[in-house]
Amino acid sequence: SYVLTQPPSVSMAPGQTARITCGGNKIGSKSVHWSQQKPGQAPVLVVYDDSDRPSGIPERISGSNSGNTATLTISRVEAGDEADYYCQVWDNNSDHPVFGGGTKLTVL
Amino acid sequence: DVQLVESGGGLVKPGGSLRLSCAASGFTFWTYSMNWVRQAPGKGLEWVSSISSSSSYIYDADSAKGRFTISRDNAKNSLYLQMNSLRAEDTAVYYCARRYCSGDSCYIDYWGQGTLVTVSS
Repeated sequence: SYVLTQPPSVSMAPGQTARITCGGNKIGSKSVHWSQQKPGQAPVLVVYDDSDRPSGIPERISGSNSGNTATLTISRVEAGDEADYYCQVWDNNSDHPVFGGGTKLTVL
Repeated sequence: DVQLVESGGGLVKPGGSLRLSCAASGFTFWTYSMNWVRQAPGKGLEWVSSISSSSSYIYDADSAKGRFTISRDNAKNSLYLQMNSLRAEDTAVYYCARRYCSGDSCYIDYWGQGTLVTVSS
């Protein structure tokens, strides 16, 4: 089955730009989606189809995807961005989501 | 607004059974495939089972095969997960999740708040 690899943690000072990667074999040929999960809460979709944002998600959050790496970028990081972030692709063969292991973003 | 509300979690002994429910509202439930996704304490997200809109297709993760059964009642806008032969490693928050597709792209776009299942003697 397809494997997605994320760094366990990323730390950034407020106002800086955080980049969270999601690695997979030829992931650039797939659609990648990102969810944010704050402590004690359910995940929330923040980026879909590599770089589109659902309504209500700030423009500071963006995504890109090429080659073997997809990236979630959070500009001007704020304390409220502290959360776990999960990348996701879809397994069309057996119709189910495949998740990366998650990355904990810590705002210093 | 899309709402997914899970219920039915609780404490159960190893080998026991539990039935989770998910009440859906705010969208045409009968036109969407649905999923159960779980998250063990301090761990990441793990897909458990999926069911197509008309229940024609069902897929289970290896960890669920032979023990868990997903089902739905479109007349009641409800999704279910019957869990039998529960093990300690099934301890997790279980999320009901909606699949959204546009063209060739599919993804989970909405999640419920989750229900905690604890398997312990």
